[in-house]
Amino acid sequence: SQQGEEDPQALSIQEGENATMNCSYKTSINNLQWYRQNSGRGLVHLILIRSNEREKHSGRLRVTLDTSKKSSSLLITASRAADTASYFCATDLIQGAQKLVFGQGTRLTINP
Amino acid sequence: NAGVTQTPKFQVLKTGQSMTLQCAQDMNHNSMYWYRQDPGMGLRLIYYSASEGTTDKGEVPNGYNVSRLNKREFSLRLESAAPSQTSVYFCASSRVYSNQPQHFGDGTRLSIL
Repeated sequence: SQQGEEDPQALSIQEGENATMNCSYKTSINNLQWYRQNSGRGLVHLILIRSNEREKHSGRLRVTLDTSKKSSSLLITASRAADTASYFCATDLIQGAQKLVFGQGTRLTINP
Repeated sequence: NAGVTQTPKFQVLKTGQSMTLQCAQDMNHNSMYWYRQDPGMGLRLIYYSASEGTTDKGEVPNGYNVSRLNKREFSLRLESAAPSQTSVYFCASSRVYSNQPQHFGDGTRLSIL
């Protein structure tokens, strides 16, 4: 079964609004990463947050990590049409051969 | 700086045919990976190479083989293609195996008829 589960599976908002996506996981991690995938393209790394960090920012992106709840959230502020994409969380596991385990993604649509 | 380059971008095969997907990175990364992505699903790891000279199975290795040709190149081979292998295949690389972001190519869209 997938280590990371994103919620919601799909999200549609108006341009300028904030978008929040959540990720839950099951086992202990070294870090958690967020990636973006535009239609027909490969994944692009957004942010890596280590297990001893609680919050990280990059431009309009804010990621939080709660290891006690085994959950993370990605907030995109002041959304733009160009933010339309699928967003995946990936957990870097402490143990196991498959070190980076991807969730199923959240499909984000920004309406103009 | 091209990053990760995958060839071909599209391919249609008949059941039973073989083919090799090529991947090359120009970032001097030590680790490379092959994933498959099926509709509505995240990426699943097929094989990986933590460093030049080593390869290991991931979550879904059956029906595939890999070769780490050198530090830059990591190929994926389907010996006898099956319809269940219809998917989008992504190659990725990272500086080292753990605690690093991965850099992805744009994928190979493979259809098996």
